[in-house]
Parts: sequence; structure tokens; C-alpha cells
Amino acid sequence: EVQLLDSGGGLAQPGGSLRLSCAASGLTFSSYAMSWVRQAPGKGLEWVSSISFTGVNTYYTDSVQGRFTISRDNSKNTMYLQMNSLRVEDTALYYCAKDPRAGAVAGLFFDSWGQGTLVTVSS
Amino acid sequence: SYELTQPPSVSVSPGQTATITCSGDRLGDKSACWYQQKPGQSPVLVIYQSTMRPSGIPERFSGSNSGKTATLTISGTQAMDEADYYCQAWDSGTVVFGGGTKLTVL
Repeated sequence: EVQLLDSGGGLAQPGGSLRLSCAASGLTFSSYAMSWVRQAPGKGLEWVSSISFTGVNTYYTDSVQGRFTISRDNSKNTMYLQMNSLRVEDTALYYCAKDPRAGAVAGLFFDSWGQGTLVTVSS
Repeated sequence: SYELTQPPSVSVSPGQTATITCSGDRLGDKSACWYQQKPGQSPVLVIYQSTMRPSGIPERFSGSNSGKTATLTISGTQAMDEADYYCQAWDSGTVVFGGGTKLTVL
């Protein structure tokens, strides 16, 4: 059974930084593109970023481009999201999610999700 | 940027058919999927590639996609189907979600 464990959320000040992690088990992690999707309190789902199975290709939504960096360590079965220059509007529950297609260069839809890690940006 | 539009809410009586729509420019030319999210839980994929059902998803869930509209249909709706439903597609290398539809089973 695929398990994705999100962690690293917490309280940060505007302009601050956080690093999220997503530890995967029950799958050949290095074969699958991965993504981050967020959900602000009481709001809908918003795609944030995706990374190819190799880690070579990365993609970002416009609002986080240049501030967030997605990466992965296939030897540790873990994906990361480095979040810099945080804004109040980045406050959300952040989910990691897996694309079901082995060898995909982008995460385009998601068959497994983590439980989410809450990021709160406030002064 | 590409946008997907869903009705904010849909109501259905138990045992009846629920229909949730998702509209976007030339959506029928794209591959759409649908997620179910219950309160306090992570989303669950219920339809992918517009019409395919993942293993473990009941047969009462079905999807279609043509023109500008993708549709999620739940036949014989049960109380356990009450949830938020999100459509999703991708365009120009980015993933796009609809705003979500709250399905109420009255």
C-alpha cells in the first residue's frame, strides 16, 4: 500500500521560510512524478508544484515561481518543498500527491495523497 | 490562465442520480479527472482520463467529457457520497482544479 507522509509545516512570519517533506513508502518512488497541492482554510484545491520522476523537470504555479523550490531525493524516497519569502496568502494545508503513471515527466493527476501538513504564515 | 468552472452546490435525494458539471474552454479535448473530498480527509481520485474508474471506486461513479463540459455522474447516490467534488485538468504544463462542488444528499 502506498503511503505518503507529509511533514514540516508550522508557523512562519511573512518573509520567512519553511521546508516541507513528503516521505513515501510502498512504491518504487523513483518511478513516479510527484506534486504539492495546497488548500487554504475553507477553500478549494490549488496545485503548487510538480517534479518529474528523475527530478530533472520541475513546474510551478505562477504565484510561487521564484519563491518555492521543489526537489526530491530518490535514495531517501522523499520529496521536498523549500518555501521562501512566505506570504500570508500561502497559509494552507499542503498535500503531497503522486501521479500514477510510471515514468511521467510531470505530475498531471493524482492517485495517492498524503494527509497534509499545515502551513500558517502570520505575524 | 486556464479556468475550470463548477457549480458551488448540488443537492440530490438518496437513490437518485447526481450530476456535477465542470466547464472549461475546449475541455473535451483534454483529459479530465475528479476527486472526492470528505471533511477532514485527503482527496480521493474517483475518475481519471475523463471516464476511467480507479480500482476500489464503486461502479455508481461515472464520467464523461465533450465540448466544453466534463460531467461526473453518481447513480443511486448514497448518503456516504456527500462530499466536496473537484474536477481537474491540465493545460500548458500546469494543473488546474475547478472551484469544487458541495454535494448534499438530502
